[in-house]
Amino acid sequence: DTEVTQTPKHLVMGMTNKKSLKCEQHMGHRAMYWYKQKAKKPPELMFVYSYEKLSINESVPSRFSPECPNSSLLNLHLHALQPEDSALYLCASSHGQGSQPQHFGDGTRLSIL
Amino acid sequence: QKEVEQNSGPLSVPEGAIASLNCTYSDRGSQSFFWYRQYSGKSPELIMSIYSNGDKEDGRFTAQLNKASQYVSLLIRDSQPSDSATYLCAVEDPGSSNTGKLIFGQGTTLQVKP
Repeated sequence: DTEVTQTPKHLVMGMTNKKSLKCEQHMGHRAMYWYKQKAKKPPELMFVYSYEKLSINESVPSRFSPECPNSSLLNLHLHALQPEDSALYLCASSHGQGSQPQHFGDGTRLSIL
Repeated sequence: QKEVEQNSGPLSVPEGAIASLNCTYSDRGSQSFFWYRQYSGKSPELIMSIYSNGDKEDGRFTAQLNKASQYVSLLIRDSQPSDSATYLCAVEDPGSSNTGKLIFGQGTTLQVKP
């Protein structure tokens, strides 16, 4: 069991749909991350929230929109995705102070039709 | 371009042997180093953190760090078939303004043969 919870575990959507991925942690961590991972590749950083403020956007297309409603929650809003966006989307969290490890959720496997 | 390099493998070892996984990094300012294990179709799982030169042991796992040579390694003693996975080396980006941003290597696939 992981202390970072992601929902849904699987998502299939069409290119015109709007959906959201959700991530929740109750470890008191103040940094949260979204990653995209394709098969046989390492995780690729998308966004970093530090103390509920967006601190890093790795030039991600605007069809991905992150949101951090509070220190425990992180959302990723999806709109007009492309087939190449099909991947495993991972949420992670860390203390946010200094050099602390990141803990990953189980991920959402996303398929774009 | 900051880089973390790993041999992609596969690294094949017999059950009970020592598996040695290596990683080099390019940014001399990096201070924090992590090893993650990822089973096929699953998410990365943290197995070791190391911050100081030398060895750090946790059960069958030993992480080794040499900042002068810019390499970090992971030894797995008494390897088991359940250790078969991809091992990701991750290095904190020192230029990331304390956000904890990690630079991942490509991962090394380990196969432990019964």
